Amino acid sequence: DAGVTQSPTHLIKTRGQHVTLRCSPISGHKSVSWYQQVLGQGPQFIFQYYEKEERGRGNFPDRFSARQFPNYSSELNVNALLLGDSALYLCASTPLGGYNEQFFGPGTRLTVL
Amino acid sequence: RKEVEQDPGPFNVPEGATVAFNCTYSNSASQSFFWYRQDCRKEPKLLMSVYSSGNEDGRFTAQLNRASQYISLLIRDSKLSDSATYLCVVTPGNNAGNMLTFGGGTRLMVKP
Repeated sequence: DAGVTQSPTHLIKTRGQHVTLRCSPISGHKSVSWYQQVLGQGPQFIFQYYEKEERGRGNFPDRFSARQFPNYSSELNVNALLLGDSALYLCASTPLGGYNEQFFGPGTRLTVL
Repeated sequence: RKEVEQDPGPFNVPEGATVAFNCTYSNSASQSFFWYRQDCRKEPKLLMSVYSSGNEDGRFTAQLNRASQYISLLIRDSKLSDSATYLCVVTPGNNAGNMLTFGGGTRLMVKP
């Protein structure tokens, strides 16, 4: 079975641009979460979606938004990029929206110049 | 104060050594506890869940002390392949779904 997939693998943007990151969960998983991992730190929770509805939101500015599609894939959008947005963006999927193991994708490495 | 705190290390140990990592968390209502392993430039992977009664998986033993809000991971007979960053993770006790709160990670380097 395929694991969580994310695209693109790497991305370079300049300040002020916007970016869209994509995630496909494991087949049969209905919940997707997004995390930001800055170099040298642990991942930080951004959003969780379950059955296309937002279930949780971390302490991130409104420049960050996300959505989940009927096929349970998800997009993370970041507007007006700042240098500090440079990070590894991780997507994780779980079968349900509750307390289950989360399976992480390989991440998208975003560099903002 | 960070919600989950870990000693960043690095812990440099020889093969065969026993090494222990500790972690403290600030939210007394936290529900679930985990150790994740993250190799360099890779995604985190679940190593083991942590239960109040303590649990063991081969060379790895995890303990939870809810009264002290303290989690530990013990690795016996360290292997070169154990070199990685170990992330302490908790989930909140409120209705916040499956949000994982990560510590900053403890880096382990096992030397020949």
